[in-house]
Amino acid sequence: IQLTQSPSFLSASVGDRVTISCRASQDISSHLAWYQQEPGKAPKILISAASTLQSGVPSRFSGSGSGTEFTLTISSLQPEDFATYFCQQLNSYPGTFGPGTKVDLK
Amino acid sequence: QVQLQESGPGPVKPSQTLSLTCTVSGVSVSSGNPYWSWIRQPAGKGLEWIGRINSDGTPKYNPSLKSRATISLDTSKNQFSLNLNSVTAADTALYYCARGRIEYNHGFPLFDSWGQGTLVTVSS
Repeated sequence: IQLTQSPSFLSASVGDRVTISCRASQDISSHLAWYQQEPGKAPKILISAASTLQSGVPSRFSGSGSGTEFTLTISSLQPEDFATYFCQQLNSYPGTFGPGTKVDLK
Repeated sequence: QVQLQESGPGPVKPSQTLSLTCTVSGVSVSSGNPYWSWIRQPAGKGLEWIGRINSDGTPKYNPSLKSRATISLDTSKNQFSLNLNSVTAADTALYYCARGRIEYNHGFPLFDSWGQGTLVTVSS
């Protein structure tokens, strides 16, 4: 299963609404996770099952989609949200990751 | 709170074996149903799952590694390890160890705890 993300790079300002897309090469139902990776740090799980927020993750993050099309939305971008975001399919081995979307300060 | 810490030799020469260890604290590697995994990230690129080992010592690997990877569990030291043989420059990456868990009816674990990563450079 291959995952693609768009855009690869996104410039935004604090307070902006940001949307990142992830597309799977085949139907993966809701078996998708989203991670945030700040510069120089390990990834952090944000969302699983396409839309379930992990404990401690701010409510400005949300996920949607099923099948082959998925979206991560940040409702109001905060300074700590400038990072790279990866999707990962949880449908089957080997649990491939998307190539990432870097969110940078405009 | 679970913590993971990678350790390894640093530079590795081409054709040699890369060996890394992950020391786990806060939880026993032999309890529960965790999927102790290795994941790598070449500089400026995406993430690749290398393989995992269950608490009962059962491993599973990414076929892309073409059988070069071996993961083992040491319950006496609360560690798990990665050996990757016949390395080339393409194996140069930041290597993470992570704890995986299966949620809902997913077929693959999500990773909820990660080490800080260790850089491995393959160069002669």
